Amino acid sequence: EAQVTQNPRYLITVTGKKLTVTCSQNMNHEYMSWYRQDPGLGLRQIYYSMNVEVTDKGDVPEGYKVSRKEKRNFPLILESPSPNQTSLYFCASSAGAARGETQYFGPGTRLLVL
Amino acid sequence: AQKITQTQPGMFVQEKEAVTLDCTYDTSDPSYGLFWYKQPSSGEMIFLIYQGSYDQQNATEGRYSLNFQKARKSANLVISASQLGDSAMYFCAIHGTGGGNKLTFGTGTQLKVEL
Repeated sequence: EAQVTQNPRYLITVTGKKLTVTCSQNMNHEYMSWYRQDPGLGLRQIYYSMNVEVTDKGDVPEGYKVSRKEKRNFPLILESPSPNQTSLYFCASSAGAARGETQYFGPGTRLLVL
Repeated sequence: AQKITQTQPGMFVQEKEAVTLDCTYDTSDPSYGLFWYKQPSSGEMIFLIYQGSYDQQNATEGRYSLNFQKARKSANLVISASQLGDSAMYFCAIHGTGGGNKLTFGTGTQLKVEL
């Protein structure tokens, strides 16, 4: 089954404790992105990757890091989480960047930073 | 920069009725794509329908159709014969140039289908 998986699905942590949210896709997609969803703001892109070892900032990259060492994986790293990073996080992938290229989203990771 | 505006924070519709969810957009790109996603209470994002800016006909997918009015920069989602399972948050999004296939989302419309 074609899918994007994320782990963990739920995470409660404390300020300053480094964490990683994993994302994996089994569709051999070139493009992958991370979004965060906050009430009243919709989804906003954090980082994206166009291929292995090619990543770039989205609209809200502060406080986050990513890496793309393998095509299927695109982990999101919070080196020193803060309460304003409490949010619902989505990983997404797509085959390309053409206009009609559908993005497939993972199930989401709910993060609470105390 | 691109922007999506969804002016209806919440809507109610009776089962089996049709409902229209509004979406207006702003972009300077000559070519763009518009998407609608559904987010049920479980949280996942489900792709519903896509409309390309140069598509001649309005997109349809089962009970979903997109009322695309390019001159008005609107891309309203029409759900026909609403079902209880349609209760969810609905997001309109636009895809344009740059940003690694970035989608710019609106703030969403919460739809509640009632008996």
